[in-house]
Amino acid sequence: QKEVEQNSGPLSVPEGAIASLNCTYSDRVSQSFFWYRQYSGKSPELIMSIYSNGDKEDGRFTAQLNKASQYVSLLIRDSQPSDSATYLCAVTRSGYALNFGKGTSLLVTP
Amino acid sequence: EADIYQTPRYLVIGTGKKITLECSQTMGHDKMYWYQQDPGMELHLIHYSYGVNSTEKGDLSSESTVSRIRTEHFPLTLESARPSHTSQYLCASSEHPENTIYFGEGSWLTVV
Repeated sequence: QKEVEQNSGPLSVPEGAIASLNCTYSDRVSQSFFWYRQYSGKSPELIMSIYSNGDKEDGRFTAQLNKASQYVSLLIRDSQPSDSATYLCAVTRSGYALNFGKGTSLLVTP
Repeated sequence: EADIYQTPRYLVIGTGKKITLECSQTMGHDKMYWYQQDPGMELHLIHYSYGVNSTEKGDLSSESTVSRIRTEHFPLTLESARPSHTSQYLCASSEHPENTIYFGEGSWLTVV
């Protein structure tokens, strides 16, 4: 079982809608969780980090963490065509390097 | 804004040549990483370092080698390049392993 699982997509949403991206992880002692965005041909850039159960909001982005279910999600409100990219979920625990999922491709259509 | 730099950004090289991809960061981070990513595919950790004179192999077997003689510098070397080494190589750094890692812009390597 891969340590970090994401649906590869593509996930297609219309402009202005909410995009919901999901990620599950297998290591129960994971402590830190990240969402990165990667445009085609570019390097990943951090969108959000989350460390405790619940929701964390930053502008149009909300990260949700449920450690009991080993589940992390990212909501993008008012999706824009410029949000079209691959979104990478990353998970780690103390002393270990990040494990990345394969990424979910998001397409926001005008 | 992360200050991590990779050179060269793009390189086309012949089979059998030796190459070194340079990576430098100015943030004083102890932790540095090399990831390999083929177009449209997932990131694979190939090397990491938790400090000077400390290097470890990552999850993906790689014929490359790394060194960490200075905190800010983490070069990756291929002694004899092959077409199978054609890929994007991403250098990254972090203050702690469980903290945010910051990526450089990547080095695109093509071996012909």
